[in-house]
Order: sequence, then structure tokens, then C-alpha cells
Amino acid sequence: QLQLQESGSGLVKPSQTLSLTCTVSGESISSGGHSWSWIRQPPGKGLEWIGYIYHTASTSYNPSLKSRVTISVDRSKNQFSLKLSSATAADTAVYYCARVNSGLYSSYYMDVWGKGSTVTVSS
Amino acid sequence: DIQMTQSPPSLSASVGDRVTITCRASQSISNYLNWYQQKPGEAPKVLIYAASSLQSGVPSRFSGSGSGTDFTLTISSLQPEDFATYYCQQSYSTLWTFGQGTKVEIK
Repeated sequence: QLQLQESGSGLVKPSQTLSLTCTVSGESISSGGHSWSWIRQPPGKGLEWIGYIYHTASTSYNPSLKSRVTISVDRSKNQFSLKLSSATAADTAVYYCARVNSGLYSSYYMDVWGKGSTVTVSS
Repeated sequence: DIQMTQSPPSLSASVGDRVTITCRASQSISNYLNWYQQKPGEAPKVLIYAASSLQSGVPSRFSGSGSGTDFTLTISSLQPEDFATYYCQQSYSTLWTFGQGTKVEIK
């Protein structure tokens, strides 16, 4: 059964880099056919898509975050990671990783999610 | 950016009620529309993808319809476990966006 688990620093100082890793079990990231995504949710607010990485390592990012975001994949560990530089209090959120699946005509949706990791940006 | 607007922002309903949530896109997104359910403290769960395709394992009381700019999520008979927040999400553009959510509460 496919499972995703986020891990990383729960407290980040302003201006530092937020780093999270998603460990995938039950499927090889390298097997192809899926992309892997990051989504975040500030306290009490809605969902914001951050970006995704395809198994080929090509990426797509939310333009509002693009200058600060890097998503990468480590095939040897079956993990993908998120780095968000120059963090501010506005980046405080629950961060989720998810698998991206596709239906007919390449309609993409996120079908398996991690439980989420809370990150607070504060001095 | 494609803006997704859900209505209503919240609703109160009773067990057994038929519930309808709408989602409007700021431009046509064909059928590239997904619906998620999120309960407090939990990750979102996909219910419907490609506007009307029921995700495996999701009860058949959930259904989705629409294309272009107007979409609907319907719960035919609300169950106690359905009280949650529902989000629509478009994957038509390279920037994926979510609606602001609709909270379904117990009446």
C-alpha cells in the first residue's frame, strides 16, 4: 500500500531555508507514470499548491513561490524534497506531500497524501 | 491565474439531506476539476476527479458534474462522517489552484 510521510524541521527562523522531505513507501518514484507534489495550508486557511516534480526530475512551480522554491528527487532513497528559501511568517503552514495521478485526457489529481508536517517560521 | 470560487462558504445540513456545493472557474477549464474532502487535523482526500469520475473507494452518494466554468459536487444523502470541508481544484493550467472551501456543518 502506497504511503507518504513528511519529515523535516518544525521550526525555522525568518530568512532561513525551510526544508522538508517526503518518503515514499509502496511504490518506486522511478517507476514512472506519476508526479509528486507539495501543497501547504496556513493555519485556519485553505490549500495552496506549491509545485510538483516528475520522475524525470522536470518540475513545475507556483509562480508566486517560484523564485524561492526547489523540489528535487532522491531516487536512491525513494524520497522527494522541498526547499523554500528566505522564509517568513507567511510560510507558517502545514505542508503536505502527495502523489499526482492522471485520469483520462491527462486530468491530474492528487490521490495519495501524507499526513502533513507543521512548520512554524519564528525567531 | 485561474480563480476558483466556491459557494456557499459554509452550510448547515441534517443527516439524510441532499447537499450541493458549486465551484466556478474564472475561465473555461474543460473537465479538469477535482473535489477533495478534508476533516479537521487530517489531510485532504480526493473524492471526484475529472469533474465526474468517482475515486476508487469513495461512496456512491458523492457525485460530480459540470464542464467549462461551472461545476457541482452533490452528496445525495448526507451521512455523519460527511461533515467536513470540501475543496475544488483545477489542473487545467500550469498553476493549479483551489477554491476557498465549503464547510459542511451539522444542523
